[in-house]
Amino acid sequence: AQSVTQLDSHVSVSEGTPVLLRCNYSSSYSPSLFWYVQHPNKGLQLLLKYTSAATLVKGINGFEAEFKKSETSFHLTKPSAHMSDAAEYFCVVSLKNTGFQKLVFGTGTRLLVSP
Amino acid sequence: EPEVTQTPSHQVTQMGQEVILRCVPISNHLYFYWYRQILGQKVEFLVSFYNNEISEKSEIFDDQFSVERPDGSNFTLKIRSTKLEDSAMYFCASKGRTYEQYFGPGTRLTVT
Repeated sequence: AQSVTQLDSHVSVSEGTPVLLRCNYSSSYSPSLFWYVQHPNKGLQLLLKYTSAATLVKGINGFEAEFKKSETSFHLTKPSAHMSDAAEYFCVVSLKNTGFQKLVFGTGTRLLVSP
Repeated sequence: EPEVTQTPSHQVTQMGQEVILRCVPISNHLYFYWYRQILGQKVEFLVSFYNNEISEKSEIFDDQFSVERPDGSNFTLKIRSTKLEDSAMYFCASKGRTYEQYFGPGTRLTVT
């Protein structure tokens, strides 16, 4: 069965400093991996996705994630945090090669950005 | 840009009442989903729907739940007799031929 583990429930950074949100996955099959962001009282917005093309994937708002099969990781990074990045971030896995794919969410990491 | 919409944004109901949560998926999408997020917990899959039938459902999705696509645009989740523990944010999502699912803004259901 697929699962994801987000290693930090909260991450605090200062504006302008790098962001690292950690995610490890478990999957019996070659997975699709996603990062979604949820701003307060808002829905879930797709940041980026990995589906077996390039291992380094770029998303919106300057975020990137690198798929490392040997480490079963898919960490989310951003070189310089903005105040507007403060939100909840979810690492998500799904079974690839099926149209019906359900998404399995991690527990989320709350990113706090201070001035 | 096309988006998934959900109504209402907030629904308050009494225990035992029926509720219908409505979603309008992106128009050319083929796969439809409901997820829920209980306050402080992670987002959980409820059900997926394709070609006018359920393709997969979770253990949460018991006989009290049903889904329907009554016309070409709407996708609904019905809870027949709500319980206190059904209080959650319910998200609808849709997917086309690519891998990513697009989520609506959610309906916050409060059962009193």
